[in-house]
Amino acid sequence: AQSVTQLDSQVPVFEEAPVELRCNYSSSVSVYLFWYVQYPNQGLQLLLKYLSGSTLVKGINGFEAEFNKSQTSFHLRKPSVHISDTAEYFCAVSDQASGGSYIPTFGRGTSLIVHP
Amino acid sequence: KAGVTQTPRYLIKTRGQQVTLSCSPISGHRSVSWYQQTPGQGLQFLFEYFSETQRNKGNFPGRFSGRQFSNSRSEMNVSTLELGDSALYLCASSLLGANTGELFFGEGSRLTVL
Repeated sequence: AQSVTQLDSQVPVFEEAPVELRCNYSSSVSVYLFWYVQYPNQGLQLLLKYLSGSTLVKGINGFEAEFNKSQTSFHLRKPSVHISDTAEYFCAVSDQASGGSYIPTFGRGTSLIVHP
Repeated sequence: KAGVTQTPRYLIKTRGQQVTLSCSPISGHRSVSWYQQTPGQGLQFLFEYFSETQRNKGNFPGRFSGRQFSNSRSEMNVSTLELGDSALYLCASSLLGANTGELFFGEGSRLTVL
């Protein structure tokens, strides 16, 4: 079974500064990778995904992530954050389960706190 | 296109009671998954349904059950509630044709057990 490690439980940053949220996963076999964002009292929303192809993936709200197969990492970055980016961010990795399904395993989340 | 709809959004129960949560997936999505989210354990997979059949199940006791109807709507049930069942229960649907694990989440049902 996959395991996903988000190395920082909380990341404080000032507005307009760059940010990187780190994610490492356990398996080196073919997987699909995702970052989701969760705002208070809401469900999770997909930020970006890596399925194949270019290792640099761009998502919504100016976020991007880089897939590094040798380091089994999928770190999320944004060059300049806004107050509205304050939220919980989840990294997820899916590989094939029974019945042909792909069941994602989620990291514990990183709370991004943007200060004015 | 309407998103994933979960009802009720909030509910309070007492220990020993049972609860049923409902989920309507995005139109055309045939796979429905359920997750439990708690501060201590994060997001944990409960089960996944496709075409009214449970395809995968997480590591939860038998008190947690679910089903899916022919219109892809799903319900989950928790019997004999315990304090530790207090959590946000998230339903997510996915498009089988893009079967990568990409999920579309509802806003969740927040269960408080007293």
